[in-house]
Amino acid sequence: SAVISQKPSRDICQRGTSLTIQCQVDSQVTMMFWYRQQPGQSLTLIATANQGSEATYESGFVIDKFPISRPNLTFSTLTVSNMSPEDSSIYLCSVEDVWGLRPEAFFGQGTRLTVV
Amino acid sequence: GQQVMQIPQYQHVQEGEDFTTYCNSSTTLSNIQWYKQRPGGHPVFLIQLVKSGEVKKQKRLTFQFGEAKKNSSLHITATQTTDVGTYFCAGRADYKLSFGAGTTVTVRA
Repeated sequence: SAVISQKPSRDICQRGTSLTIQCQVDSQVTMMFWYRQQPGQSLTLIATANQGSEATYESGFVIDKFPISRPNLTFSTLTVSNMSPEDSSIYLCSVEDVWGLRPEAFFGQGTRLTVV
Repeated sequence: GQQVMQIPQYQHVQEGEDFTTYCNSSTTLSNIQWYKQRPGGHPVFLIQLVKSGEVKKQKRLTFQFGEAKKNSSLHITATQTTDVGTYFCAGRADYKLSFGAGTTVTVRA
């Protein structure tokens, strides 16, 4: 199984500022994803982090608001830009070997973000 | 886009009773996965179903994939306090997972 280190685990930020969340995996993985989970809600896919190229964003999410980097196969960052209270949520990175033998998604511990 | 519906949203169960949570997709799925998220935790993989009509069991948990590969269910027998948490189904079409809304389970001892 993949071990994922995600940090920070939580933060309280002022509106208008930006926060960068890091996701480090202990092995090379084909796919890395970023999700948002509001309290008591389901997981919503923000984007697929592509190694060495621009991320693929889902409907309702844009690069200017959620820039993503993935410089190699084991590391990715998600930035929440120009934050507002509506961005308060849990952000989760996830890794999968989609085309391989292991079917499951592994999740980081999550970053609990509160914007005040 | 693909949507995965899951019911019920909440399930309050007396310890020892059975319950079932259901998922339904708007499109045919290549596979469906189930995850459990404990309070304050992150989702943890339980199982994947791939074949039409497939049934898999894990101790007291029984997972089923519909014949049309558009619906699935999770049935838990003799619920225990360790079953507390939120159960998500996640359907895969293409390479992405679409998560259902989840069923949050609480247990009365």
